[in-house]
Amino acid sequence: GQNIDQPTEMTATEGAIVQINCTYQTSGFNGLFWYQQHAGEAPTFLSYNVLDGLEEKGRFSSFLSRSKGYSYLLLKELQMKDSASYLCAVRDARGYNKLIFGAGTRLAVHP
Amino acid sequence: EAGVTQFPSHSVIEKGQTVTLRCDPISGHDNLYWYRRVMGKEIKFLLHFVKESKQDESGMPNNRFLAERTGGTYSTLKVQPAELEDSGVYFCASSQDFRGAIYGYTFGSGTRLTVV
Repeated sequence: GQNIDQPTEMTATEGAIVQINCTYQTSGFNGLFWYQQHAGEAPTFLSYNVLDGLEEKGRFSSFLSRSKGYSYLLLKELQMKDSASYLCAVRDARGYNKLIFGAGTRLAVHP
Repeated sequence: EAGVTQFPSHSVIEKGQTVTLRCDPISGHDNLYWYRRVMGKEIKFLLHFVKESKQDESGMPNNRFLAERTGGTYSTLKVQPAELEDSGVYFCASSQDFRGAIYGYTFGSGTRLTVV
């Protein structure tokens, strides 16, 4: 079956670091995406991992371990504007690469 | 470049009525996807077009849903007749290639459909 788990909600303080975890069990794997979504807006692409290891992009980094079915998104130097939902999505290799999403993690950044 | 555009942004219809959602992908993107998020659940795949052809429609819930992409440009998703459980946010996404590897898949802001 297909299952992607991530925490429902997290809170953090402005300027701090937060790690959002995602575990997945899917029949086929062809890459993992992280998206950011502000309420009422489009999900926006943050990162893509297909090989094990860490991908760094400015304040955001994403890590993947395929053997453990595990990824995390690391946000550094948190800003108030980082308050949003963060979506973990696995690309299904079996069927034309559709995305399978987790339910998302709502992050609230406080002053 | 212009992003993925969806119309309308909100729609409230009565059970049994018909609604048509429209998606304009980024120009030149052959791959177009429809997803939806029902209340409290995760975003789920509905179908995938490559140009005007349906590549994968395994996520379409039933035959009340009809998607088209005539000419390989914009796409429409028609729900007829609408049921209460069809309420949710319908997202469209497009990508240059089927992998979406470098830039990901670009999503529209969605159409919030409410069936009453």
